[in-house]
Amino acid sequence: EDQVTQSPEALRLQEGESSSLNCSYTVSGLRGLFWYRQDPGKGPEFLFTLYSAGEEKEKERLKATLTKKESFLHITAPKPEDSATYLCAVYNAGNNRKLIWGLGTSLAVNP
Amino acid sequence: DAGITQSPRHKVTETGTPVTLRCHQTENHRYMYWYRQDPGHGLRLIHYSYGVKDTDKGEVSDGYSVSRSKTEDFLLTLESATSSQTSVYFCAISEKSGSKNEQFFGPGTRLTVL
Repeated sequence: EDQVTQSPEALRLQEGESSSLNCSYTVSGLRGLFWYRQDPGKGPEFLFTLYSAGEEKEKERLKATLTKKESFLHITAPKPEDSATYLCAVYNAGNNRKLIWGLGTSLAVNP
Repeated sequence: DAGITQSPRHKVTETGTPVTLRCHQTENHRYMYWYRQDPGHGLRLIHYSYGVKDTDKGEVSDGYSVSRSKTEDFLLTLESATSSQTSVYFCAISEKSGSKNEQFFGPGTRLTVL
């Protein structure tokens, strides 16, 4: 069964303390992996798409990487405004427009 | 920000009443989606549309219907609301399908069914 698992469920960091969030997946024929950020009471906000193992993308303090089994979202020197839930979703060849979503990692960055 | 609005933003209704949620976009994107988000389940696709009058079911479509008579509007209807449909509903749009399926989300509607 196609599945996306995110870990940890929750993470608390001090401002400036770098860390990584994990998104592991078991899908056949990965065609794309998406990262989103969601603030409380708001809709998810698109961050990155990764298509193949070895690919990396960066945006400010965030860097997403992809292997054949998982993706990491690295957060370098986070600030309190990086506090949010980070969601991962995958698209595979058999799902035809439907994304498979993880449950997210809730990140809190303390000043 | 993508031009997506949802209405109403909050609604409280009673079991058995019909409810319609509206999603409106100004981006002229072809694809539109309705999701619900619940603790422990994440985002689950209810229905989606791949063009005017072209819709298909998602993974949790029972009890819901949709309509898309114009590119910019996608309506979600709960014919007879139940307490299990209490949730936060998100509309999303995308320009392309497949691996380029970068979806952009609206602000959500919080629905409570008493």
